[in-house]
Amino acid sequence: DTEVTQTPKHLVMGMTNKKSLKCEQHMGHRAMYWYKQKAKKPPELMFVYSYEKLSINESVPSRFSPECPNSSLLNLHLHALQPEDSALYLCASSQVTFLRGPLYNSPLHFGNGTRLTVT
Amino acid sequence: EDKVVQSPLSLVVHEGDTVTLNCSYEVTNFRSLLWYKQEKKAPTFLFMLTSSGIEKKSGRLSSILDKKELSSILNITATQTGDSAIYLCAVLYNFNKFYFGSGTKLNVKP
Repeated sequence: DTEVTQTPKHLVMGMTNKKSLKCEQHMGHRAMYWYKQKAKKPPELMFVYSYEKLSINESVPSRFSPECPNSSLLNLHLHALQPEDSALYLCASSQVTFLRGPLYNSPLHFGNGTRLTVT
Repeated sequence: EDKVVQSPLSLVVHEGDTVTLNCSYEVTNFRSLLWYKQEKKAPTFLFMLTSSGIEKKSGRLSSILDKKELSSILNITATQTGDSAIYLCAVLYNFNKFYFGSGTKLNVKP
């Protein structure tokens, strides 16, 4: 079990559907991430929220829409996806601390992911 | 272009062997290097290295960072079948950005 919880575990959707992936953490982390992982490939960064504000968007297509309603929750809204979007979607969180000098990030803690299949 | 390169891509050993996995990086504003183990689902954290030359150790696993050579190694001694997994190297750079290498797939045979 991880301290980052993702739902659902599996999702099958058609190309015209709208669905959402959800992620929740209660570790008090202030940075939350979405990664996409295709089979036999490393996780690829999609989005980063820092203090509930979108800080990084890695040129992700607009059919993926992230949302961070509060410091514990992260959603990924999906609309009009393509079959090539089928992958494992991983949520992660990291503590962010502003100290005198460089910013400190704790290691990423991952959820178990949502296995998405687009038909 | 920023990049993280791991080698070898895959490795097959027998139980009891010692393995060394490599990670090299070229990124701007390097902050830390991390090692993760991924079996079936979520990557699990192993080590975070920020300072050069200081070995981190956990049981049979150890890791060290060389900032002059822009590289790190992960050692596993007395390997067991439970060590079979993909080992991912990640680099934290800029603000909040964790970038992963392609991973090393380790297969430990009985």
